[in-house]
Amino acid sequence: EVQLLESGGGLVQPGGSLRLSCAASGFTFSSYAMNWVRQAPGKGLEWVSAISGSSHSTYYADSVKGRFTISRDNSKNTLYLQMNSLRAEDTAVYYCAKRCGGGSCYGWVDYWGQGTLVTVSS
Amino acid sequence: EIVMTQSPATLSVSPGERATLSCRASQSVSSNLAWYQQKPGQAPRLLIYGASTRATAIPPRFSGSGSGTEFILTISSLQSEDFAVYYCQQYENWPPTYTFGQGTKLEIK
Repeated sequence: EVQLLESGGGLVQPGGSLRLSCAASGFTFSSYAMNWVRQAPGKGLEWVSAISGSSHSTYYADSVKGRFTISRDNSKNTLYLQMNSLRAEDTAVYYCAKRCGGGSCYGWVDYWGQGTLVTVSS
Repeated sequence: EIVMTQSPATLSVSPGERATLSCRASQSVSSNLAWYQQKPGQAPRLLIYGASTRATAIPPRFSGSGSGTEFILTISSLQSEDFAVYYCQQYENWPPTYTFGQGTKLEIK
């Protein structure tokens, strides 16, 4: 059974930093690209960042480029999101999301974690 | 940038009836379209990918159709557990980019 468990959320002041983690189990972690997707309170879903299985390639939404860094440790089956220079508009639940795999996969997300809440406020 | 527009924003349907949710892309996304269900306080759950393929363990009352710019999610004979928010999402193979619609809230009439 695929499981994704996020941690590291909390209250941080504007301009501060936070690192989110996502512990993965139930699949061969290193074989799959992973994503972070966020959801502001009462709002819709926004893709934030993606990383290839080997960490060779990373991608970011324009809204976080230059402030957030995605990384992974395949020896620990863990995905990370380092968030710097945080703003009030970064307040959201952050979800870890697994990309599909295999020959028929064309990019959809097939599993999501339960999310961790990040609140940016003074 | 591709913009995904869902309609209606809220849909009121009685249990046992059919619900039809729409999603429109600002430019063709071929069949690279997924649908997700989200209940309050829960993570999204994949329902449909490739515009019309049901994900694992999704009951057959959920069906997707469309290609290009116009997509439909149909839920036949609504059950109480189906009342939730539904999001469409377009995806690219690589580099990975994802754009979500703003969601349709399906509520009990």
